[in-house]
Amino acid sequence: NAGVTQTPKFQVLKTGQSMTLQCAQDMNHEYMSWYRQDPGMGLRLIHYSVGAGITDQGEVPNGYNVSRSTTEDFPLRLLSAAPSQTSVYFCASSLGQETSNYGYTFGSGTRLTVV
Amino acid sequence: AQSVTQLGSHVSVSEGALVLLRCNYSSSVPPYLFWYVQYPNQGLQLLLKYTSAATLVKGINGFEAEFKKSETSFHLTKPSAHMSDAAEYFCAVSDPAYGNNRLAFGKGNQVVVIP
Repeated sequence: NAGVTQTPKFQVLKTGQSMTLQCAQDMNHEYMSWYRQDPGMGLRLIHYSVGAGITDQGEVPNGYNVSRSTTEDFPLRLLSAAPSQTSVYFCASSLGQETSNYGYTFGSGTRLTVV
Repeated sequence: AQSVTQLGSHVSVSEGALVLLRCNYSSSVPPYLFWYVQYPNQGLQLLLKYTSAATLVKGINGFEAEFKKSETSFHLTKPSAHMSDAAEYFCAVSDPAYGNNRLAFGKGNQVVVIP
């Protein structure tokens, strides 16, 4: 099993450009989420989904869109990139409605630089 | 919403010495608790988890953590540090305000092992 796959691993964007960060999991996990990691800030939740067709905002959703048309995929869209969005982005998934018994499985991350 | 406190962004420990990383959370409702480890340029891996069974939880690589409800704490320890323990460690706590689906993360501890 591949687990959680994120692409690309690295990306450089110019201010104002748009792009989509891809996330796919092959574990039939219902719950998927996107985090950004910044030095000294830990991980902050951007958006999450509890199943296909259902998404909701996390702590820092501004400037990002998501959709969940299938159980497997949860892409993150940057609408108009800004330097403040320079970060490392992680996708995570979990098996059940309650994360408690399972924890999260993380992808290896996408390192994004906006110039 | 749940908050997680990890004090000391950088922790230096001598090889062979005790590793102690502190984690405190805010909710009065007993949560589900996790420690994750992140090696350089990698995603987060689950180190151990507490899910209301034994209060002393053993994880991978010789780490363990003890849940203390009265202190709202979940400190991580390892009796003898190895060079391979150099990594960033994150405490995460489920947020009952979101049905325990969401995890709140601390800001992390960067562990440096001194030979």
